[in-house]
Amino acid sequence: QLQLQESGPGLVKPSETLSLTCVVSGASISTDSYYWGWVRQSPGKGLEWIGNVYYSGSTFYSPSLKSRLTISVDTSKNHFSLKLTSVTAADTAVYYCARVAAYCSGGRCFESDHWSQGTLVTVSS
Amino acid sequence: DLTQDPAVSVALGQTVRITCQGDYLRSYHASWYQQKPGQAPVLIVYGENNRPSGVPDRFSGSSSGNTASLTITGAQAEDEADYYCNSRDSSGWSFGGGTKLTVL
Repeated sequence: QLQLQESGPGLVKPSETLSLTCVVSGASISTDSYYWGWVRQSPGKGLEWIGNVYYSGSTFYSPSLKSRLTISVDTSKNHFSLKLTSVTAADTAVYYCARVAAYCSGGRCFESDHWSQGTLVTVSS
Repeated sequence: DLTQDPAVSVALGQTVRITCQGDYLRSYHASWYQQKPGQAPVLIVYGENNRPSGVPDRFSGSSSGNTASLTITGAQAEDEADYYCNSRDSSGWSFGGGTKLTVL
């Protein structure tokens, strides 16, 4: 059974770097059928797509976060990671990792079919 | 960008449609997610009109032009939640702003 579990600090100081890792269990991250992605949700707000990574290392980033964002994958550890630099209070959110279909055919179309439980990251001094 | 009505209400047992508009919905099917307070989003409809295992068949999806729709036929009290659409676009992916469904 596929499970995704984030780990990382729950508190980050302004101007520092937010780092999270998502460990995938129950399936290999090295598949050409899926991307692995990050989504966040600020308190009381909607879902915001952050970015996706393929097992090869290729990435898609949200234009609004691209200048501060790095998403990477480690196939040997079956996990992928997010780094967001120069954080402010606006980056305070619940961060989710998810598996994302990598194609739009055969009944599927880029949907996120498995999600982690989410982790709250607060940016505060 | 994907546009959703912020709030919709439905009487118990009645049918409700939640819509999502966006230019790239002409090219890609939307997926739909249900989120209850304090919980992670859950995929409920994807592709042309597919449901993951365990999702009740009262949830269905459709599309016309630049508009995708999620229909709940015979809404139940437990369907009260936030609903989000999601699709590929020119920049990557995007989510709609979400629709809060109230079951009266």
